[in-house]
Amino acid sequence: NAGVTQTPKFRILKIGQSMTLQCTQDMNHNYMYWYRQDPGMGLKLIYYSVGAGITDKGEVPNGYNVSRSTTEDFPLRLELAAPSQTSVYFCASSYETGGETQYFGPGTRLLVL
Amino acid sequence: GESVGLHLPTLSVQEGDNSIINCAYSNSASDYFIWYKQESGKGPQFIIDIRSNMDKRQGQRVTVLLNKTVKHLSLQIAATQPGDSAVYFCAENKGGGGTSYGKLTFGQGTILTVHP
Repeated sequence: NAGVTQTPKFRILKIGQSMTLQCTQDMNHNYMYWYRQDPGMGLKLIYYSVGAGITDKGEVPNGYNVSRSTTEDFPLRLELAAPSQTSVYFCASSYETGGETQYFGPGTRLLVL
Repeated sequence: GESVGLHLPTLSVQEGDNSIINCAYSNSASDYFIWYKQESGKGPQFIIDIRSNMDKRQGQRVTVLLNKTVKHLSLQIAATQPGDSAVYFCAENKGGGGTSYGKLTFGQGTILTVHP
């Protein structure tokens, strides 16, 4: 199993541009998550999904959108990039049962100028 | 000026020593806790977890202690090695069932540096 994969690894955006961060997992996990990590800080939950077709907001959802059309994929969309969205973005997945261990992807580093 | 958030707690130890990393959690309703290790440029990696009905759990070279009375969690690493150098995060699941399932709240992190 590849686990959780994320693309791209690094991206530079201009203010106002849009992009989609891709996340795929091959572990048949129902739960998937998007976090952002600012320098020197812990992870903050942006959005999460408990299964295909079901998504919900986390702690910091503003400026982002998600969709979950399949079990494997959970893309994160930035519509109008802002400098405040400069961060490292991590996707994670876990089994269905609440509180289970989350497995993380390698991250996408985003710079908005 | 610098952001407060850039000043993570740090712990420096010599190779072979035991390390103890501490974490204060916020919610007395939290029922599940995890320690993650994050190496530079990588995603967090699971180390060990513990549920609120336990006060101690051991893994390979690691032990997690949970004190619910004071809402404190610690990670003990035995015979610390240079490869243990990383940022360590504690995370709590605030329970409550339903849509709270799987929603983790992460602490700020502690930088562990192991000197050979």
